[in-house]
Amino acid sequence: GEDVEQSLFLSVREGDSSVINCTYTDSSSTYLYWYKQEPGAGLQLLTYIFSNMDMKQDQRLTVLLNKKDKHLSLRIADTQTGDSAIYFCAERTPSGSSASKIIFGSGTRLSIRP
Amino acid sequence: GAVVSQHPSWVICKSGTSVKIECRSLDFQATTMFWYRQFPKQSLMLMATSNEGSKATYEQGVEKDKFLINHASLTLSTLTVTSAHPEDSSFYICSATLEYEQYFGPGTRLTVT
Repeated sequence: GEDVEQSLFLSVREGDSSVINCTYTDSSSTYLYWYKQEPGAGLQLLTYIFSNMDMKQDQRLTVLLNKKDKHLSLRIADTQTGDSAIYFCAERTPSGSSASKIIFGSGTRLSIRP
Repeated sequence: GAVVSQHPSWVICKSGTSVKIECRSLDFQATTMFWYRQFPKQSLMLMATSNEGSKATYEQGVEKDKFLINHASLTLSTLTVTSAHPEDSSFYICSATLEYEQYFGPGTRLTVT
C-alpha cells in the first residue's frame, strides 16, 4: 500500500540549514512533492522531483531523492522566520486502473529559534 | 501560475443541513480535481478524485452519498456535504491537476453546530 512518513517536529536556529526527511513505500511513485502550509492557509507547492532524478535545486531549496531507500529530503538553506510552517512530503502514484493520486505524509512542523 | 479558488472560505451551518463547496481552476482546465479533508494538526486525507464528465472515485471509508461530488466542467468541481453533523467539521481542500503538478485551493473551513 501507499504510505508516506515524516517526523512531526523540527527546530532550527535562524540562519542555519533545515533538513526535513521523508520516507515512502510505493516504489512506483512517479513524482515526489514538497508542500508548505502556513497556519490557517492552503497548501503551497514548493518543489517537486521526478522519480528518475537524484537531486533538484531551486534557490534555497535542495531536494535529494534516494530511490533505493525510498527516502526524500528537503534542505532549506539560511532558514528564516518566514520559513516557519508545516512541510508536507507527498508522492504521486502512477496511473493504472484508477486515476493517479497524491498521498501526503503527516507533515513536519518547522519552528525557527533566534 | 495556475490558481485554484474555493468558495466559500469558511461556512458555519446547523446540523442536518447541506453545504456546497466550490472549487475552480481560474486560468487552466483541469480534467481531474481532488478533494481532501484536514483535521486540526493532521495531514490531508484524500476523500475522492473528481473527473470531468464522469462519476467521482471515492477513497475507502468515504461515504459517497454523504459527500456528493459534481465535476460539471473543466474548471469547476463541487463538494456537497449532505445532512452535515458536527463530526463533519473540518478543513476541506481541493486541488486541480495541470500536467504533473497539482495546485491547491486555499481551503474551506466548515463548522457544523
